[in-house]
Amino acid sequence: EAGVTQFPSHSVIEKGQTVTLRCDPISGHDNLYWYRRVMGKEIKFLLHFVKESKQDESGMPNNRFLAERTGGTYSTLKVQPAELEDSGVYFCASSQLTRLNTEAFFGQGTRLTVV
Amino acid sequence: DAKTTQPPSMDCAEGRAANLPCNHSTISGNEYVYWYRQIHSQGPQYIIHGLKNNETNEMASLIITEDRKSSTLILPHATLRDTAVYYCSVEWAGGTSYGKLTFGQGTILTVHP
Repeated sequence: EAGVTQFPSHSVIEKGQTVTLRCDPISGHDNLYWYRRVMGKEIKFLLHFVKESKQDESGMPNNRFLAERTGGTYSTLKVQPAELEDSGVYFCASSQLTRLNTEAFFGQGTRLTVV
Repeated sequence: DAKTTQPPSMDCAEGRAANLPCNHSTISGNEYVYWYRQIHSQGPQYIIHGLKNNETNEMASLIITEDRKSSTLILPHATLRDTAVYYCSVEWAGGTSYGKLTFGQGTILTVHP
């Protein structure tokens, strides 16, 4: 069974450009989460999808970040325009649609560097 | 959200038990304690979780104090491959924000020969 896959694994972009990160969750997992770690900081929650709906987007830092999950399958996280402070590692995780006792499976992450 | 505090680093000899503590003194009644680890540059990996009772699986044991304000992750026979950053997290199990993990700084566990 394939795990959570993220693409690209690394991205280097210039300030002001746009970058789109993609996450493919484990098949059948309705919960999809985005997290990120910026340099020297803790891993922080960004948002949570249940199928195609945004369940909780309280962690999204500002309106330069847009997450979508069309059809409830894969998800994209777009940063537009990117700023230097957006550099970090972006993780995606998925879990089954049960509220309790869920373990989340994380992808390898996308390392974003804004120069 | 409940906060967690962990020692920044710990050492353990290979083959010995590694006991990693975590304080979560503000945990609420319906928050689970989860442990994840991150090996090198990989994504976090689930280890174990619990609510009130002690738990054991093939990877580790989780001991939660009776007042639930702290817990200990036990790796019974640490190997070199267990060298990683270990995160203690609490997860809200109710409302609309379920599954939202709160990570702290974690503990860097170094297992040496």
